Amino acid sequence: EVQLVESGGGLVQPGGSLKLSCAASGFTFSGSAMHWVRQASGKGLEWVGRIRSKANSYATAYAASVKGRFTISRDDSKNTAYLQMNSLKTEDTAVYYCTKTILTGGFDPWGQGTLVTVSS
Amino acid sequence: DIQMTQSPSSLSASVGDRVTITCQASQDISNYLNWYQQKPGKAPKLLIYDASNLETGVPSRFSGSGSGTDFTFTISSLQPEDIATYYCQQYDNLVTFGPGTKVDIK
Repeated sequence: EVQLVESGGGLVQPGGSLKLSCAASGFTFSGSAMHWVRQASGKGLEWVGRIRSKANSYATAYAASVKGRFTISRDDSKNTAYLQMNSLKTEDTAVYYCTKTILTGGFDPWGQGTLVTVSS
Repeated sequence: DIQMTQSPSSLSASVGDRVTITCQASQDISNYLNWYQQKPGKAPKLLIYDASNLETGVPSRFSGSGSGTDFTFTISSLQPEDIATYYCQQYDNLVTFGPGTKVDIK
C-alpha cells in the first residue's frame, strides 16, 4: 500500500522553528517528486513547495509566501522528506500535508496531515 | 505567478442534480489542470487529471473539460457522498490551487 505519514507538528512561538517529516512506503520514493501543501483552518489548499528526485538534481521550488524561510529536503535512504520551517509567523498555522506527483501529474496519495500552530 | 479562480464558491443542489463548477487560470496552462475532492477532516483526493481524464476508481459521474484558461468540472448526478469541497489545481508553472467550491445537498 502506498502511504505517506507526516510527523513533527506542534505548538511553536512566532519566530521559532520546526521540522516536519514525511515517511513514505509502498512506492519507489527515490524516483518521486515530493510536495508539501498546507491548509489553515476553514481555508483552502496552499502549495508550499516541492523537491524533485536525484535524477532531477533534487531541484526545489517554493511558494512566495514561504520562500527564504522554509526548506524542503529528502533522505532517499530513509524514504523520508522534510520541511524545515524557520522564522515562523502566526499565518503559518495550518495542517501540513505531504504528497507526491504521480505519472499523470496529479498529487496522490496524501498523508493524514500534521498540525502546526504558531502562537505565543 | 498563475492565479486560479473558481465559481461558484459554494452551491446547494438536490440529489440527482447536475452540478457544474468552473475554474479559470490567469494565463494559458494548456491542460495542466487537476481536480480534487476534499471531505471534512480528510486529505484531498485526486479525481480528474490533465483537465479531462478520470483517475482510476473514480465514479464516471465525475468529468472535466477545458483547456487554455477555462475549465469545467461536472457531477452528472449528485449523490449524498459527493458532499465536499472541490479544488482545481494548475501545474503548468509550479503549483496553484483554486479557492475551492463547497458542495452540499439542498
